[in-house]
Amino acid sequence: EAGVTQFPSHSVIEKGQTVTLRCDPISGHDNLYWYRRVMGKEIKFLLHFVKESKQDESGMPNNRFLAERTGGTYSTLKVQPAELEDSGVYFCASSQGRRGGGYTFGSGTRLTVV
Amino acid sequence: QKEVEQNSGPLSVPEGAIASLNCTYSDRGSQSFFWYRQYSGKSPELIMSIYSNGDKEDGRFTAQLNKASQYVSLLIRDSQPSDSATYLCAVNKVGDDKIIFGKGTRLHILP
Repeated sequence: EAGVTQFPSHSVIEKGQTVTLRCDPISGHDNLYWYRRVMGKEIKFLLHFVKESKQDESGMPNNRFLAERTGGTYSTLKVQPAELEDSGVYFCASSQGRRGGGYTFGSGTRLTVV
Repeated sequence: QKEVEQNSGPLSVPEGAIASLNCTYSDRGSQSFFWYRQYSGKSPELIMSIYSNGDKEDGRFTAQLNKASQYVSLLIRDSQPSDSATYLCAVNKVGDDKIIFGKGTRLHILP
C-alpha cells in the first residue's frame, strides 16, 4: 500500500508569490488533513476534508490559504500571496474512518518564503 | 497555558535503559491520546495510542494514561540508538477529528 505522498518536498519562493502544495492520500482514505509546523512551534491543524467536503477549516490562518480536494482524491493547498511567516513544514495525513487521530502522515513539504 | 505540554529535552538515556517521556494536557474533555515518533526531516509516525486510564503495552513501548492528573507518558524499555528521535504527544477531544500536538521531546540514546 502506497503511503501519503506530498510534493514538492521543498519549495523556496519569494514573498508575494504563489505556491501550491499537493497531497495524495492513501487510496480509499476519505479523510484528509493538513497540518503545519512553523519553526519552533508545535504541529498545528489547518483543515480536514471528508471526501471532497471541508469538514473543519478552523485552523486555516487567513484567506491567503485555499485548500481544495476536487473529486475527493488528492488535495491542494495554495498560499497566495505568500508571506514570510508562512515558512514551515506542511504535513498531510489521511485516514479511512474518522479516527480522531492516529492517522498516517506524509513526509511533508518544507516551504521557505524569502 | 499550552494545551499539550512536553519537556523539549534533549533527554539523554544510556542504551539498554528505560526512557520515560511525559506529557500533560489542559482539556479534561480530551478522549484519545497518541504518541508519534519523528526522525529528523521525516514525517510523524504513530507508535502508540491510548484511550482509557492505565497502561498499554506494545513490544518495548508502554503508554500510561492518568486522566485525573491529566498526564500521559511513554516508556521505552531496552532503549536502542535507533530510538533517538523526537517524540510528539498528541490529544484529541470528544467530537473532534483533529489532534493537538505538543512541541515534542528530543530523545537521545547514548551508545
